[in-house]
Amino acid sequence: DTEVTQTPKHLVMGMTNKKSLKCEQHMGHRAMYWYKQKAKKPPELMFVYSYEKLSINESVPSRFSPECPNSSLLNLHLHALQPEDSALYLCASSQGRGASNTEAFFGQGTRLTVV
Amino acid sequence: DQQVKQNSPSLSVQEGRISILNCDYTNSMFDYFLWYKKYPAEGPTFLISISSIKDKNEDGRFTVFLNKSAKHLSLHIVPSQPGDSAVYFCAASFDYNTDKLIFGTGTRLQVFP
Repeated sequence: DTEVTQTPKHLVMGMTNKKSLKCEQHMGHRAMYWYKQKAKKPPELMFVYSYEKLSINESVPSRFSPECPNSSLLNLHLHALQPEDSALYLCASSQGRGASNTEAFFGQGTRLTVV
Repeated sequence: DQQVKQNSPSLSVQEGRISILNCDYTNSMFDYFLWYKKYPAEGPTFLISISSIKDKNEDGRFTVFLNKSAKHLSLHIVPSQPGDSAVYFCAASFDYNTDKLIFGTGTRLQVFP
């Protein structure tokens, strides 16, 4: 199984809603990531979990709250978002460190629209 | 401040010919460079990588060249196939923090018959 599975694929939420994005991988990877991608822009790193501990937070606003319940699951909890937070949210995972293991496997993404 | 840049937003190539996608970077401390391909409605897929200690890496139809003095890398696809039509991102990372990938802006490649 070389897949990273994200649910839901599409999400429309109001600015007062609370929702969660979910990500799952069964490749035994040690690191899991959340990226945000706006239209015609590159993916931008938000969070990294390494061995289930938050290792990188790229100064993301607190209305985005990541959670790593176990080594296979990664959630992104959303609360009080703004319309400008509408984007494609990508989850990824990778195995190790160094040149031979820097490749990350990405999920299909969740297309989020905040209204 | 865009540390990794792909100055050509799009490229059109005939099937069977070579596709050359370019990427420039500003930070000479980058240790690894990667290329990803992205189809619409899918996440990026890893293609090929190169360490800064090398100047070439080849995998089938894909070859990445690194010119450190020019802070430039390129991806060659030969022969190009219609299925290669996608957006290609180059990315870079540091040896001390390979978890942090910095992506370029992407180049949309279209391979026509």
